Amino acid sequence: GESVGLHLPTLSVQEGDNSIINCAYSNSASDYFIWYKQESGKGPQFIIDIRSNMDKRQGQRVTVLLNKTVKHLSLQIAATQPGDSAVYFCAEKSPLGNTDKLIFGTGTRLQVFP
Amino acid sequence: KAGVTQTPRYLIKTRGQQVTLSCSPISGHRSVSWYQQTPGQGLQFLFEYFSETQRNKGNFPGRFSGRQFSNSRSEMNVSTLELGDSALYLCASSLVGTVDSPLHFGNGTRLTVT
Repeated sequence: GESVGLHLPTLSVQEGDNSIINCAYSNSASDYFIWYKQESGKGPQFIIDIRSNMDKRQGQRVTVLLNKTVKHLSLQIAATQPGDSAVYFCAEKSPLGNTDKLIFGTGTRLQVFP
Repeated sequence: KAGVTQTPRYLIKTRGQQVTLSCSPISGHRSVSWYQQTPGQGLQFLFEYFSETQRNKGNFPGRFSGRQFSNSRSEMNVSTLELGDSALYLCASSLVGTVDSPLHFGNGTRLTVT
């Protein structure tokens, strides 16, 4: 279904620790997934993406895992830094065909403390 | 390369008025889509344009409309504004608008309706 941001879960981590942010997506036919980071006063910033024919993809300090069996995505951030504090959204591309329609998750607020 | 540019950054309007928001995509990007972000509903898809044609539309009333120009720049219009239209309006662009082309967002226009 469509994103309903009624409650924003928060993840608090200590600087230097690893963070894991989880997301359940809605449509088993979705073929492409993106993680975004949104800082206060800014738009969502692209972090990493993954196609459904993969189960893991790594970037710089970030790893996305995809479990299609349970429709679950996770974003792992290594050695979390204060600059990582933001709201993180997962998004799935609608499986309608050639479209940019994204269906967003509710978001998770990541707080990094020293 | 410049990112997605949205103007204006902030708008204050009164109920019943109309408003036009502007978006310049990343150079070379041909697909532009619009999203509404509110604390209660999260990020919701409004519509998308590719080669000046509306390709997909979200579940919003007809008061919300948009268009795309030959240079890929896009505008969205909201007529007869209601208090509930207060939101952050985000524009995103992608290179070709296919299933695995990531969307890149601007920083949005914050609309307040009084």
